[in-house]
Amino acid sequence: QQQVKQSPQSLIVQKGGIPIINCAYENTAFDYFPWYQQFPGKGPALLIAIRPDVSEKKEGRFTISFNKSAKQFSLHIMDSQPGDSATYFCAASYEGGSEKLVFGKGTKLTVNP
Amino acid sequence: SAVISQKPSRDICQRGTSLTIQCQVDSQVTMMFWYRQQPGQSLTLIATANQGSEATYESGFVIDKFPISRPNLTFSTLTVSNMSPEDSSIYLCSVDTLGSWFFGPGTRLTVL
Repeated sequence: QQQVKQSPQSLIVQKGGIPIINCAYENTAFDYFPWYQQFPGKGPALLIAIRPDVSEKKEGRFTISFNKSAKQFSLHIMDSQPGDSATYFCAASYEGGSEKLVFGKGTKLTVNP
Repeated sequence: SAVISQKPSRDICQRGTSLTIQCQVDSQVTMMFWYRQQPGQSLTLIATANQGSEATYESGFVIDKFPISRPNLTFSTLTVSNMSPEDSSIYLCSVDTLGSWFFGPGTRLTVL
């Protein structure tokens, strides 16, 4: 049972475009929603995270939009650059219990020059 | 944030052997997590390691195959036992610091 569904599986945009990656979750107990960026041969790096008490969070060119009623959240990358080409993972977790992090299947983003 | 190091960074092993992966964190943490990332796939939690207690394994993972040690609040090891080619993956150590999860660089394991 996959608790976090991520789409699309892959995404190609031109430099300067705004790629959008979407995730949907099932467990309403989730209260922490991070996004990770992973380059080939590297571990995932925490990019940005949001909690359900806000609907949007921006850090630099990266924005998370959160829709609690729809149980969805998305990552927007403004003015995308070739250096943003990587695999992006959404995740979710909740405190109380094991506090483990559950991941989406990932989106491979390619930003063409 | 937390700085996490892992050793080895990569290894090529023969079928039937075992490999122990080390994870070192630059600060004391209560729980450490071990994940597996198969080629081109997402991350799957293997187990959660608390200092001073037995590790808690996720469905599909057993202690005999993936024994874990957690001798102190900054260090943990994961052993991949009796390896087969299906164990070829990246193994990642993770910690939760002040509500944010950070990952080590990973250990890329290839089993021949």
